[in-house]
Parts: sequence; structure tokens; C-alpha cells
Amino acid sequence: AQKVTQAQTEISVVEKEDVTLDCVYETRDTTYYLFWYKQPPSGELVFLIRRNSFDEQNEISGRYSWNFQKSTSSFNFTITASQVVDSAVYFCALSERNYGGSQGNLIFGKGTKLSVKP
Amino acid sequence: DGGITQSPKYLFRKEGQNVTLSCEQNLNHDAMYWYRQDPGQGLRLIYYSQIVNDFQKGDIAEGYSVSREKKESFPLTVTSAQKNPTAFYLCASSYGTSVDTQYFGPGTRLTVL
Repeated sequence: AQKVTQAQTEISVVEKEDVTLDCVYETRDTTYYLFWYKQPPSGELVFLIRRNSFDEQNEISGRYSWNFQKSTSSFNFTITASQVVDSAVYFCALSERNYGGSQGNLIFGKGTKLSVKP
Repeated sequence: DGGITQSPKYLFRKEGQNVTLSCEQNLNHDAMYWYRQDPGQGLRLIYYSQIVNDFQKGDIAEGYSVSREKKESFPLTVTSAQKNPTAFYLCASSYGTSVDTQYFGPGTRLTVL
């Protein structure tokens, strides 16, 4: 069955520290997509990245980087030199291309709350 | 500016009343979605629509209803049959199916008094 696990419920770091948010997924499909979203205190979900199952290259965008490893079914997210503005809840999500149920189903993890203290 | 708008931001309802949450998008997206978020939880899909005049139930559709008369609009009605409606409701849209990136609105926080 589809499942996304974010084992870290809350993380607290001091500004300028590096922090990694873990995401482990389960899927029946060979074609799937993984996403990360950021939810600041205002509540709106902000899209960060989309990755398909055939592209295992790591990606870097500024202070953000993502490590996708199919062998361990993980899609971890690292923030380098964290800043107070990075404080938010971060969600990992999974979508399968050939899921037999509702095609609208984006499966979310429960989120990791990151607090960056000055 | 293109985007998704939801109104109102905060909504209070008495038990036994129906209430409708608005969602509008000007991104020219075909698909629209409604999610519910409870404290400390991820998002759960209520309803989605891939085309005008068609919509499908998600995982927790009981006690909710939707319509899709226009491409830009996907209102959600929380009916009195919904046993625990207090939650944060998020609307999203995408070009096509769920494998396309979903973009979210600012959300509506519903509280039942």
C-alpha cells in the first residue's frame, strides 16, 4: 500500500546549522512521483520540488538539496546553513501513476516541524 | 498574478448548519482538489475534479459535497452530516492528474461552535 513516513515529528536547530528532514515511502508502482512542500505559520503549502522515480540524481537549489535513493525508498531533504525563515512544517508526499484507486490521491506524510532559533 | 484564492480565511459555524468554502483559481488548471488538515496530521483528500461537471470522492468524502460548474471554481460544502468538521481546509489545483504538481491556496480554518 501507499505510505509516506516522516519519523521526525519536530526538529529544533540553531541558525546556520545544517538540518536533514527524512522521508521514507512505500509504493506498489514502478512509476511514481515524490514531492516536498513547506507550510509556514500562515498555513499555505508552498511547493518545493517534484521528482519522478526514474530520476535518481540529487538536486540542489540554493541552500536546499534533496537526496533520492530508491534502494532505501527514501527522499531526504537537507537545508544548509538554516535561517529563521526556514521555520515551518515540511511535508513529503507521494503520487503513483498507475494507482488503481482515485487518481487524485497525493499521499502525504504527517510532516516535520522545523524550528530554527536565532 | 496567477494563483488560487480561498475565502473566507476564518469561518465559524454553529452545529447543524451547512457552510460553503470558496476556491477560485486563474491558473487555467483542469484539476482541482480539496484537502482537510487536522492538527499534527498530514493532508487527507476530500474530493477532486479533473474536468468541469465531473468530480470524484477522495478518502474522506462523507459529510461533504462539491460542484464544478466552472473551470475556475470548486466550492466545498461542509454539511451538518460531517461529524467533526473543525479543521483547516486547503484547496489545490494542477494541470492534469495527481502526478502533476498541485499548487495550494491559503486555506480556510473552519471552527464549529
